[in-house]
Amino acid sequence: KAGVTQTPRYLIKTRGQQVTLSCSPISGHRSVSWYQQTPGQGLQFLFEYFSETQRNKGNFPGRFSGRQFSNSRSEMNVSTLELGDSALYLCASSWALGGGTDTQYFGPGTRLTVL
Amino acid sequence: SQKIEQNSEALNIQEGKTATLTCNYTNYSPAYLQWYRQDPGRGPVFLLLIRENEKEKRKERLKVTFDTTLKQSLFHITASQPADSATYLCALVIGLDDKIIFGKGTRLHILP
Repeated sequence: KAGVTQTPRYLIKTRGQQVTLSCSPISGHRSVSWYQQTPGQGLQFLFEYFSETQRNKGNFPGRFSGRQFSNSRSEMNVSTLELGDSALYLCASSWALGGGTDTQYFGPGTRLTVL
Repeated sequence: SQKIEQNSEALNIQEGKTATLTCNYTNYSPAYLQWYRQDPGRGPVFLLLIRENEKEKRKERLKVTFDTTLKQSLFHITASQPADSATYLCALVIGLDDKIIFGKGTRLHILP
């Protein structure tokens, strides 16, 4: 079956702009989690959505938001971009909430560069 | 403060030898610990999960140990191959809501 897909794969924006990233989970998976990966901070949890509701949230400012649709597809939005938002944004899907004991499947990521 | 530390920036191991990667944590009480592999330009791939009441878990050439007293997990790759070269991430699963906290990873190079 098809894996997790993320669009776009690469994105260049300027400071102050906003951006929307999209994630399509594996068919049948209802949980989608978003992560930010940078060389300095590593992989950091942003939020998790399950059945269209945000169930978990990491320590990121309110400029980072997301949503999940009835077909489990998810989008994340970053408003008022800052240089420090340049990162690889990864989404992961799993069948169950939390992903603790349930395998998470990661997408290839969206590489965001903020100039 | 809460920390997850994975040993060294990069680890060079000769092909055929056993590679051992370390994951240490402080001020966490994880119920589970996961290991992932990440190749350049790709998302992490889940490898193994070990529960707090399990001492050891094996999968083919991979072995993971989990010592909750030492607050440490060791990840072993036996008979290592150049194709095993990648970054390996450990992740703690904590709390009632199964929040996942990742270490920064160890880059492993298997030298032919």
